[in-house]
Amino acid sequence: GEDVEQSLFLSVREGDSSVINCTYTDSSSTYLYWYKQEPGAGLQLLTYIFSNMDMKQDQRLTVLLNKKDKHLSLRIADTQTGDSAIYFCAERYDTGGFKTIFGAGTRLFVKA
Amino acid sequence: DTAVSQTPKYLVTQMGNDKSIKCEQNLGHDTMYWYKQDSKKFLKIMFSYNNKELIINETVPNRFSPKSPDKAHLNLHINSLELGDSAVYFCASSQGRISGYGDIQYFGAGTRLSVL
Repeated sequence: GEDVEQSLFLSVREGDSSVINCTYTDSSSTYLYWYKQEPGAGLQLLTYIFSNMDMKQDQRLTVLLNKKDKHLSLRIADTQTGDSAIYFCAERYDTGGFKTIFGAGTRLFVKA
Repeated sequence: DTAVSQTPKYLVTQMGNDKSIKCEQNLGHDTMYWYKQDSKKFLKIMFSYNNKELIINETVPNRFSPKSPDKAHLNLHINSLELGDSAVYFCASSQGRISGYGDIQYFGAGTRLSVL
């Protein structure tokens, strides 16, 4: 069945780059997303990429998509303490219901 | 003005009780969702409605019954609450199937349910 996997933890120093990785199984994905969840809050979209794109850049965020390997990554440049949160990778695919599947989330810890 | 609002924010109740969580969105979206997030933060889709019609119904005990009186509201009623129902429940909405812009989901702040 469909599945989205990502590592659970990442720790970086303030000012360094963070790279969060994700793999997915369904090749009929239409969109892939990165959502951010801060403590006590709901998920908020950070960025998304259409499945026919390889890369998308938005200020400090760079998303890379390798469709052949079904691998998605999120790079955060100049990571700040305010970036500490859980980052969820998600894929949307057409099953007749346009289902979105979320990964388990990567907890990013930023050390000052 | 909150885009997706759910009430209550916290819900503490005894096993066996029946409770409801309400969700409203003012984004004009056609599709609404309920997710359950467990203590390990794993997020699982429970239900999805498109224009008041149920389109996704995952393997959820039938003690959980969603109701959508109109496309701006999706409520969740839970009968005979069990300890394992303790979690954070998130409501979300999106433009839905016809969206050409990534079908971004907008989440409420969550309802933290504790069953004692």
